[in-house]
Amino acid sequence: KAGVTQTPRYLIKTRGQQVTLSCSPISGHRSVSWYQQTPGQGLQFLFEYFSETQRNKGNFPGRFSGRQFSNSRSEMNVSTLELGDSALYLCASSSDRVYEQYFGPGTRLTVT
Amino acid sequence: TQLLEQSPQFLSIQEGENLTVYCNSSSVFSSLQWYRQEPGEGPVLLVTVVTGGEVKKLKRLTFQFGDARKDSSLHITAAQPGDTGLYLCAGSNSGYALNFGKGTSLLVTP
Repeated sequence: KAGVTQTPRYLIKTRGQQVTLSCSPISGHRSVSWYQQTPGQGLQFLFEYFSETQRNKGNFPGRFSGRQFSNSRSEMNVSTLELGDSALYLCASSSDRVYEQYFGPGTRLTVT
Repeated sequence: TQLLEQSPQFLSIQEGENLTVYCNSSSVFSSLQWYRQEPGEGPVLLVTVVTGGEVKKLKRLTFQFGDARKDSSLHITAAQPGDTGLYLCAGSNSGYALNFGKGTSLLVTP
């Protein structure tokens, strides 16, 4: 079974721009979660989608948004990028046992 | 937010040594997971524990969930350089989100 894939792997953007990251979950997994990882804050939960519905959202500003498509693939968008948005963005998918999440390799976003 | 505190933050040992890392919280979790993450990659799930007092073994790694389901430990026997990485614990209650500790960075030198 193929794992979680994320594209792109690396991205460099300028302050004020927007960015879209993509995630393809493991086949059959309907839940997709997004996390932001930074050296200072560790892994922080952004949001989780299940069957195209956002079920839970972390404590991030509205500039961070996401969606899920009917094939369970998910995208997250960050608008008006700030320097502090530089991080590793991780996507994880899970099946019925939601607490067992399988992570992709992440997208390294650098904002200059 | 239910906080998970991991200790130690950093650990540098020589090959063959034993070590234990801890994950503590004031909150009760319905399940707790341990992950290992290597630089530039996503975390890889090692184990899930759900029952208070549960002990699980994965080769040289032993995981224990506290009786009160508030804490957990990971013990590595005879560490090897391949064990190097960031060890993360994560707890769940709602099932919708994992609360992660900040991790223990382990370096095992030959």
